Formats: sequence, C-alpha cells, structure tokens
Amino acid sequence: GAVVSQHPSWVICKSGTSVKIECRSLDFQATTMFWYRQFPKQSLMLMATSNEGSKATYEQGVEKDKFLINHASLTLSTLTVTSAHPEDSSFYICSAPGGQGRNTEAFFGQGTRLTVV
Amino acid sequence: GESVGLHLPTLSVQEGDNSIINCAYSNSASDYFIWYKQESGKGPQFIIDIRSNMDKRQGQRVTVLLNKTVKHLSLQIAATQPGDSAVYFCAEKRGNQFYFGTGTSLTVIP
Repeated sequence: GAVVSQHPSWVICKSGTSVKIECRSLDFQATTMFWYRQFPKQSLMLMATSNEGSKATYEQGVEKDKFLINHASLTLSTLTVTSAHPEDSSFYICSAPGGQGRNTEAFFGQGTRLTVV
Repeated sequence: GESVGLHLPTLSVQEGDNSIINCAYSNSASDYFIWYKQESGKGPQFIIDIRSNMDKRQGQRVTVLLNKTVKHLSLQIAATQPGDSAVYFCAEKRGNQFYFGTGTSLTVIP
C-alpha cells in the first residue's frame, strides 16, 4: 500500500524556538495532506488541510501563524510550529488520501512526538 | 455539534475471546467509515472500512457492522491476541477529511 513518511519521529526543542515537521508521500502524489494533533490518551484532532500550490485550510481554533503549513510539491507538506511553548508538546500526525475517490482510505505517517522544554 | 464518539474508553479481554468495540456517529450524511488501530507512539493503521450501503464487512479476524438507523458502528475482533492490544478509533469521512472518535484502549490479558 501507499506509504506516508514523517520526519523527525521525535524532537525536543527549547521554548521559543521553531520546529519543522515533514510529511512525504513516498510512492504516490498527494495534492492534499492533513495534519492532526494528538494529546496523550486522546483522539486525533484535525488541525488543517494542506493543499499543494495554495494556502492551507485551518480548522476552527487552530492558529495559522502558530502552525505554518507549506505544501510546495505533490509529495511534501511541512508543518512548522513557530515559537514553540511547552503547551505545544504533542504528537503530530500527517495523512494523505489514498486516491481521488470518495471511498478511499487515508494513509498516515508514523507521527512526530514534539517535546518543548 | 456533530461528532464521532465511542461508548467505552477501555476494554480488557482474555486472550482467545472475541472483542467488540463500539462507535456512535451523528452525521447522517457520512457514507464511509474506517476503523484504525494505533499502537503506542505510532500513527494509525488501517484495519477495515465500510461504505454506508453495506451493513457488514468481514476481514481477517475482524468484522465491522454498520447500523445506519441508530448511527452505530462496531468492530469485532475474533480470537483476540496480545498483539491486538492497542487503541482503536473509528473515523468518519466528511468530504475529503477524516474525523476521529474518542478511541477505545483494548488490553488483551494473556
């Protein structure tokens, strides 16, 4: 099946710095990718939809200037957590649709655990 | 608002027994659902899907049942094994996006 790769898997950063997370579709093109955030023992919350060649669409309550999304190519979307603070510590997961059809699954990356100290 | 949710946050079963994980959804327009399994520190993995024009779908040791009348989805795992211990999510597709339920943590007791 299709593979979505995230990098890094784990990152620790100092408060106030910015962290970039990459999401790549390895053997297929993804004009759309999705970014989720997951707190411990909680569900995945959709943060934003990343669109190749255009601006990302953010879910209500997600700060656009805080979570910068860039989808520069058909195989790469990046999420930058700017001026990170401890409350941004979380598990971030990206996904890409498996196809253009309505009833197609989404393939998920392995996730990135961000710890802000 | 509309949501996808699970009835039970935790479930413990004896190895070899069958497991049933439930999910309720409220968006009657949803027509595609997926069950995902997530192990600790990893991204969700596809288990099985079902379209709204179906009531039941079977995979290897897993069965998904869909009851559109009461907007209920369930995942049945036969002969549960220790490797099945994980968190299970149902996901509802709206447009091109998936929205996840709360999750059920399944623990298999050897």
